Amino acid sequence: EAGVAQSPRYKIIEKRQSVAFWCNPISGHATLYWYQQILGQGPKLLIQFQNNGVVDDSQLPKDRFSAERLKGVDSTLKIQPAKLEDSAVYLCASSPGQFSYEQYFGPGTRLTVT
Amino acid sequence: AQSVTQLGSHVSVSEGALVLLRCNYSSSVPPYLFWYVQYPNQGLQLLLKYTSAATLVKGINGFEAEFKKSETSFHLTKPSAHMSDAAEYFCAVSPGGTSYGKLTFGQGTILTVHP
Repeated sequence: EAGVAQSPRYKIIEKRQSVAFWCNPISGHATLYWYQQILGQGPKLLIQFQNNGVVDDSQLPKDRFSAERLKGVDSTLKIQPAKLEDSAVYLCASSPGQFSYEQYFGPGTRLTVT
Repeated sequence: AQSVTQLGSHVSVSEGALVLLRCNYSSSVPPYLFWYVQYPNQGLQLLLKYTSAATLVKGINGFEAEFKKSETSFHLTKPSAHMSDAAEYFCAVSPGGTSYGKLTFGQGTILTVHP
């Protein structure tokens, strides 16, 4: 079974530029999560999708971050415009359903904003 | 509201020694608790979970954790450390119910294993 795929693995941009990250969850997994992991901290949930609907986006900075999961499969997270404090690893995770305990994480995208 | 505190950002042990990683939680509802491991340049992997059944939980790679409600703790242990255990470990809490997926993570503990 293929795991959660993310791309790109690394990205360097200048502040005020835009960036997008892509995630393809494990086949058949209905729930998809995006996390932000700042160096030295644990992951922080940004947004949770159930199929193509948003379940929780309470911690997503909506003035600059957006995410979508068209067709309920893969997902894109966008930052526009980026700030220095957005430098972090962005992790995508999926689980079979909203009431599933285990989340399967991708390798992450490391973003550096200069 | 949920929160997790991991005591010690770095823990160093010798190969074959006991591993003890500490986690204390705060939760307004009966919690679901998890330990995840992260190897360099990889995503997080679930080690074990507590979901209100047995208070002593066994996980993969010889790790186990004990839920102690009176101490609001969920410490992770392994009797004998192996070099391959070197990684970063995260404790996490979920409120369960309709919010199983809403994990709140601790800041992580980096485990170093010396030969």
